[in-house]
Amino acid sequence: NAGVTQTPKFRILKIGQSMTLQCTQDMNHNYMYWYRQDPGMGLKLIYYSVGAGITDKGEVPNGYNVSRSTTEDFPLRLELAAPSQTSVYFCASSYGSSDTQYFGPGTRLTVL
Amino acid sequence: QKEVEQNSGPLSVPEGAIASLNCTYSDRGSQSFFWYRQYSGKSPELIMFIYSNGDKEDGRFTAQLNKASQYVSLLIRDSQPSDSATYLCAVNRSGYSTLTFGKGTMLLVSP
Repeated sequence: NAGVTQTPKFRILKIGQSMTLQCTQDMNHNYMYWYRQDPGMGLKLIYYSVGAGITDKGEVPNGYNVSRSTTEDFPLRLELAAPSQTSVYFCASSYGSSDTQYFGPGTRLTVL
Repeated sequence: QKEVEQNSGPLSVPEGAIASLNCTYSDRGSQSFFWYRQYSGKSPELIMFIYSNGDKEDGRFTAQLNKASQYVSLLIRDSQPSDSATYLCAVNRSGYSTLTFGKGTMLLVSP
């Protein structure tokens, strides 16, 4: 059981570039989440999904897009990267909305 | 009032002491409560969850929930330097499909 895996671990983007952060879970969880965490700050929810084909916005969705075509995968797309998107991005999954969330190792993104 | 509030710290305790971490929440209908530990540069990992009023113990950790007063706390007995980390409180608010996280409390345990 690998749990929640994320790729890449690190990435540097130039302003205006695009990229996709990958997230995969092998626990057959229904719920998946994307968070960002800025230095000294808590976790801010970007998007979440309650199942394949269903996604919804979180607290800070602007500048991001998601899709959920399978139970296992929940990629996060950044279009037109901006310096304000420099952050650490965590993907998480849970069986239900009130259940424990399990986090991936994170992706550290820098936009220059 | 913020949905989930934690003192940012740092909370400094000597090795062997009891560390007490507190979290208050605003939604009286909240159902489930989680404590996560996050080491610097790492992802959050679950320490404990609690659903019912009272205490729940797991090794050196005790979670305490008081729904009437809307607070949840985490006690760490016999604190070790390896406990030095940021502790995140998370709450499942009624009617929400997500957890709401506090900003975390940094704990420093000195040898």
